[in-house]
Amino acid sequence: DAGVIQSPRHEVTEMGQEVTLRCKPISGHNSLFWYRQTMMRGLELLIYFNNNVPIDDSGMPEDRFSAKMPNASFSTLKIQPSEPRDSAVYFCASKWGGNSYEQYFGPGTRLTVT
Amino acid sequence: GIQVEQSPPDLILQEGANSTLRCNFSDSVNNLQWFHQNPWGQLINLFYIPSGTKQNGRLSATTVATERYSLLYISSSQTTDSGVYFCAVGFSGNTPLVFGKGTRLSVIA
Repeated sequence: DAGVIQSPRHEVTEMGQEVTLRCKPISGHNSLFWYRQTMMRGLELLIYFNNNVPIDDSGMPEDRFSAKMPNASFSTLKIQPSEPRDSAVYFCASKWGGNSYEQYFGPGTRLTVT
Repeated sequence: GIQVEQSPPDLILQEGANSTLRCNFSDSVNNLQWFHQNPWGQLINLFYIPSGTKQNGRLSATTVATERYSLLYISSSQTTDSGVYFCAVGFSGNTPLVFGKGTRLSVIA
């Protein structure tokens, strides 16, 4: 199994630009989570989906952030416009819908906004 | 919301030493995972252990759900064990994980 795939692995952009992060969950998993890691706040949830439907987006910092899951194999996290304080590592994780609650994380996208 | 506290925050070990990392949580949980974040930033699953004891090589973990804590044991530590160890908990299968602040482990040769 390829595991959770994220792209790009690194992104450097200028303030004001649009940024799109991508995630491909493990095949057969039906829950997908977006987390963000910063030095100040640690690892925290942004949004999660069950069966492609957004369930809780209360962690999304503000309207500049949006996430979609058009199908079971793909999700995007978009920041528009980006700001320097958005600089962080963004992780995607997925989970199987069965009895195990274990989440599996992708390698993360390191975003730097200058 | 649920609180997750990890101790110690930092730990320095000589290669070959043993260590115990602790995770306390403030509410009943149905999901508890231990992760190792390596120096490249990747989160590696170590254990899925909402209760009971598991072992994987030099690592083992125990969760006492009724007393709301979990322990991660590392024996015969190696320099490759360095990194940050996170405990994360969740209430049910489809809810997100709440992470502790982690224990930063440095193993010195």
